[in-house]
This record gives sequence, C-alpha cells and structure tokens, in this order.
Amino acid sequence: SAVISQKPSRDICQRGTSLTIQCQVDSQVTMMFWYRQQPGQSLTLIATANQGSEATYESGFVIDKFPISRPNLTFSTLTVSNMSPEDSSIYLCSVVPRANEQFFGPGTRLTVL
Amino acid sequence: GENVEQHPSTLSVQEGDSAVIKCTYSDSASNYFPWYKQELGKRPQLIIDIRSNVGEKKDQRIAVTLNKTAKHFSLHITETQPEDSAVYFCAASYPGNTPLVFGKGTRLSVIA
Repeated sequence: SAVISQKPSRDICQRGTSLTIQCQVDSQVTMMFWYRQQPGQSLTLIATANQGSEATYESGFVIDKFPISRPNLTFSTLTVSNMSPEDSSIYLCSVVPRANEQFFGPGTRLTVL
Repeated sequence: GENVEQHPSTLSVQEGDSAVIKCTYSDSASNYFPWYKQELGKRPQLIIDIRSNVGEKKDQRIAVTLNKTAKHFSLHITETQPEDSAVYFCAASYPGNTPLVFGKGTRLSVIA
C-alpha cells in the first residue's frame, strides 16, 4: 500500500472563509480521489484529481466550491471555499497504487462555526 | 451510475459468534468489491476484496462471497472479538482504476 499524509489533520474555521487541504503520497500514482464523510455517514466522492488537467466533479459538487489542484503524481490539494457549517465533515484523499485497490489518507476533520 | 445497498445498518453479536453483512449492487459492469473497516476517528482500512472472476475469498477469520447473478456480496466474520467492533463499509467499482461507490455502512458491536 501507499503511505498517504494529509494536512491539516483538523481545523476549526469561521463561516465564509476557505481552507486548503493537502494530500501527499510517497509514490507516484495516476489516480487520486477526494471524498467527504459527513458525521456518522458513509463516504461520498467529491471529485477525481487528474494530473495535468481539470478535476472531474461528481454531481452536487462544483469547482467554485471545491477547487482542486494536482500539480504532479504525488500531490493534490482540495480547497473548501466560502465555508458554511454544512461543510463540517471529514475530508479524505485516496489513491489507487495498483489494480483498483484504494487506500485512504488519515483525513482532515473540518469544523465550521 | 452504480448504487450500493448495505444491510444491516447496525449489528450486535456475542463474542465468538459469527457476523454477516450483506451488500447489493445495481450495475453488472462493476467488477471490484472491497470491504473497509473504520474504527472511531480513524481512516477506512481495506480488509478484504473480491473481483468478479472469483466467487469466494478468505483471509483468516474474514471471508467475502460474491454472487454475480444476484448482484450481491457478503462479508463474513467468524469467531468475533471485541476488536472487530467498528463500522464496516462495502463498495463497488467499475473496471480500471475508477472511484468506489460505498454502501451506507454497518456498525458492528461485539459484546464480550
């Protein structure tokens, strides 16, 4: 499996502000995804972070709200923009180092006041 | 797109008993079915997976079965232990390195 780190691990933010979450992998991976896990819920895919091109967003998620960067094959960022309390969630990046097997970063626990 | 249903949402078993969690998927094109265990405050951990060319896979106390015709797959945990207590998620994905679609999760409690 890959070693995945995320920063920050948690944050408390004021509504209307933005937070950028970083995801770093110890090896080059083609596929990197961002998921959201709301309290007590399952994981929902936000977008696929494509290296060298724009991210592909799932229904209900838009680039203006969740801009994503993927400058290389080991790093990606997700920004949560103009935050509201409804954005309070755990945000997880994941990678697929081989044949469908997907591994998750430790997550970023975001609380918006 | 794919849709994954998972049952039950909660499950309590006595230590040493078996636990079974079931999932159904909607799209016969899906060919990869992993199971994740998530302990409180931790990331989901891949515990076992199965591909559509296999009917059953076992790893020590855990096993997964797949019925492609009925489009359902199940997780079986035998000789449960208190440390098996967690939320378990099933998922499905299409061929290639595609994103996972998750079930809603099952909270398993193993009572000592």
